[in-house]
Amino acid sequence: KAGVTQTPRYLIKTRGQQVTLSCSPISGHRSVSWYQQTPGQGLQFLFEYFSETQRNKGNFPGRFSGRQFSNSRSEMNVSTLELGDSALYLCASSLVTGLGELFFGEGSRLTVL
Amino acid sequence: EDQVTQSPEALRLQEGESSSLNCSYTVSGLRGLFWYRQDPGKGPEFLFTLYSAGEEKEKERLKATLTKKESFLHITAPKPEDSATYLCAIPPQGGSEKLVFGKGTKLTVNP
Repeated sequence: KAGVTQTPRYLIKTRGQQVTLSCSPISGHRSVSWYQQTPGQGLQFLFEYFSETQRNKGNFPGRFSGRQFSNSRSEMNVSTLELGDSALYLCASSLVTGLGELFFGEGSRLTVL
Repeated sequence: EDQVTQSPEALRLQEGESSSLNCSYTVSGLRGLFWYRQDPGKGPEFLFTLYSAGEEKEKERLKATLTKKESFLHITAPKPEDSATYLCAIPPQGGSEKLVFGKGTKLTVNP
């Protein structure tokens, strides 16, 4: 069974640009969550989608947005990139929404110059 | 604010030297405490969920326990392949279904 797939794995952008990250969950999983991981702050929740609806949102500015498609694939977008957005962005899927075992992808490492 | 604090930040052990990692939390009405393992360059991998004080779960050399204020991850006779960062997480108070993660304990097991 294929795991959670995130693309791209690595990317470099400059300040002011925007970026779109993609996540394909495990087949049959309908919930997708996004987390940002940095050395200083650790893992921080961005948002969760279930059946194309955003169910929870973390404490991040509006420059961070996401969406989920009917096939459960999800994308997140960061506009007007800042240096502080450099991080590992992790996607996690689960069978249902709510608390439970999360299956994480390997992440997309974003570097903002 | 709900907090999860893990200690120590880093731990070096010799192969076979047992020890424990700590995760303390301040939320009331705990709705579950989750342990994950993260290898360098990879996403976290689920290990355990604990729901009530006194509960214990085991997996190979790992045993997780839970009290009303903290959880311990006991590592018995560790091997170098147990080297990783161990993360604990809780759902915050208020019914949200996100997870609040601690900053992790980086474990290194030397052969």
